[in-house]
Amino acid sequence: QITLKESGPTLVKPTQTLTLTCAFSGFSLSTSGVGVGWIRQPPGKALEWLALTYWTDDTRYSPSLKSRLTIAKDTSKNQVVLTMTNMEPVDTATYYCAHMESSYDSSGYYTNWYFDLWGRGTLVTVSA
Amino acid sequence: QSVLTQPPSASGTPGQRVTISCSGSSSNIGSNHVYWYQQLPGTAPKLLIYRNSQRPSGVPDRFSGSKSGTSTSLAVSGLRSEDEADYYCAAWDDSLSGWVFGGGTKLTVL
Repeated sequence: QITLKESGPTLVKPTQTLTLTCAFSGFSLSTSGVGVGWIRQPPGKALEWLALTYWTDDTRYSPSLKSRLTIAKDTSKNQVVLTMTNMEPVDTATYYCAHMESSYDSSGYYTNWYFDLWGRGTLVTVSA
Repeated sequence: QSVLTQPPSASGTPGQRVTISCSGSSSNIGSNHVYWYQQLPGTAPKLLIYRNSQRPSGVPDRFSGSKSGTSTSLAVSGLRSEDEADYYCAAWDDSLSGWVFGGGTKLTVL
């Protein structure tokens, strides 16, 4: 059974750096074809993808937030950490991490990635 | 402004069939699979449809997805009160090299 749980500060001040941890169980990020992503949702608004990491060291970032984000996996701890610098009030949101599934095609590549299982999310408020 | 466009709201009465649309472009829906998520009030999103039309185990067959060109739709038949939720479409965008989501559709069961 796959589970994910986000943790981190509930309140950060403007200009501070946010560090969130996604602790997961039921899978390993050393297994081929696996990934973890981060998505956020401001109160009453839509989902916004932030970053993802694959079982390799390959990572991807939202173009609009790339300069502020870093995602890192710790395979030994079954964790993925997201850091976001220079936090602003508009960054107030519920932050979710999610397991990524894929399919192995005949060419020997993992393709058709998607977020299949999500954590419950953690609300982060940015305020002085 | 979301990259994928959804109507902000949809509604129906119990037992009805409701369709939610999601439109994009050639770089996202037009060239990649589409995924639908259901978000019940106060909960995390749950995968409802994957790879355009596939249902994960446990998702009732009242939910179905389809795709044509750069548009996709989610249909909910035999509408039930527990279907009242926000629904989001999502796809990978080749131009942005990232995931894009729709703005969400709030489904109300009258």
